[in-house]
Amino acid sequence: DAGITQSPRHKVTETGTPVTLRCHQTENHRYMYWYRQDPGHGLRLIHYSYGVKDTDKGEVSDGYSVSRSKTEDFLLTLESATSSQTSVYFCAISESAVTEAFFGQGTRLTVV
Amino acid sequence: QQQVKQSPQSLIVQKGGISIINCAYENTAFDYFPWYQQFPGKGPALLIAIRPDVSEKKEGRFTISFNKSAKQFSLHIMDSQPGDSATYFCAALGGTALIFGKGTTLSVSS
Repeated sequence: DAGITQSPRHKVTETGTPVTLRCHQTENHRYMYWYRQDPGHGLRLIHYSYGVKDTDKGEVSDGYSVSRSKTEDFLLTLESATSSQTSVYFCAISESAVTEAFFGQGTRLTVV
Repeated sequence: QQQVKQSPQSLIVQKGGISIINCAYENTAFDYFPWYQQFPGKGPALLIAIRPDVSEKKEGRFTISFNKSAKQFSLHIMDSQPGDSATYFCAALGGTALIFGKGTTLSVSS
């Protein structure tokens, strides 16, 4: 999986609690992305990063924040988890803005 | 507003048949069009991709046909096999991130 590790792979959390998902890469790629996958919606971009400390919002960024303090790590935080954030979250990496993206194995998050 | 529309939502094909999945896009600034294949419990994996300066790209049994004037592109899977049963996503690169279609679940019956 192109040197991408997502953790945890599965998580169940309660409504209102903060949750942080981690994406770690060993490819030294500049771009990193967080997507969520939901039935009937495909993959939707949450946030992305184009370098250390450089991030921008995607299509569905409300309720999420990200941080990238090192090239290899991109963190996604749900500040106060809601049931609508129950989803499968995928991290992806890309060497540049015009090349293919490689995906991790995903994190299944359930908010109860 | 959905910028990449994919159809059909699901597809059943006999072994040995041709699977065809279609996508349409709206933004003429898109300049890279990949197809991803996803098996249950796995992340999407790049299958094949095309840029708008060519009308067709073939890799083994997989072919992308691209119609720039119609803003449409399609994936053809020749001699479909049960191992091709998966979810397929088309995508378009807009700016710095891929925009995905909603996916097509392909089942190839033996």
